[in-house]
Amino acid sequence: GIQVEQSPPDLILQEGANSTLRCNFSDSVNNLQWFHQNPWGQLINLFYIPSGTKQNGRLSATTVATERYSLLYISSSQTTDSGVYFCAVDPPDYGQNFVFGPGTRLSVLP
Amino acid sequence: NAGVTQTPKFRVLKTGQSMTLLCAQDMNHEYMYWYRQDPGMGLRLIHYSVGEGTTAKGEVPDGYNVSRLKKQNFLLGLESAAPSQTSVYFCASSQLAVVRSGANVLTFGAGSRLTVL
Repeated sequence: GIQVEQSPPDLILQEGANSTLRCNFSDSVNNLQWFHQNPWGQLINLFYIPSGTKQNGRLSATTVATERYSLLYISSSQTTDSGVYFCAVDPPDYGQNFVFGPGTRLSVLP
Repeated sequence: NAGVTQTPKFRVLKTGQSMTLLCAQDMNHEYMYWYRQDPGMGLRLIHYSVGEGTTAKGEVPDGYNVSRLKKQNFLLGLESAAPSQTSVYFCASSQLAVVRSGANVLTFGAGSRLTVL
């Protein structure tokens, strides 16, 4: 089956710093989503981005499907950005469901 | 608007006991899913449903059963709990086939933490 890798596994930032999170996948996918899991466990959809670039405030994401990766950019990080960031992909042979990566744990220090 | 609600939020079981987790959504979504989350492994799909009265197996279905008798509810059952089923369980829903439309995204519940002793 498809393999989904995320890097780095852990990231510690000072408030105000910028960061880039990466998601690599081993096979072609129909679509890709980024999620943020906050310290209380809630999972929130950030981007639904099968290709191209999207921006939402301080966050933006780029997916290059032909090269099998996606990037999540966080600018001017805030303590509320702390948590775990997951990418999830939909491979063609997996019905209509997503396969999740292991996540990147981000800690933003005040 | 409640979105996706899971009950209970916490539960401790002894090996061999049974229990049911309830997921309810008020968004009239067709698709519903049960995932489990274990440290360092992301989320893995247990079972899913594409509509009332239908269910299908996901990546890790063994030891679990599900039912979707009403469109708004998706139940996850453990008939004989094992310590390997200690995990955080998440329910999610979406309007249509998740990947067939850019407008469809997964909406998650708050999670249910299950410990099997």
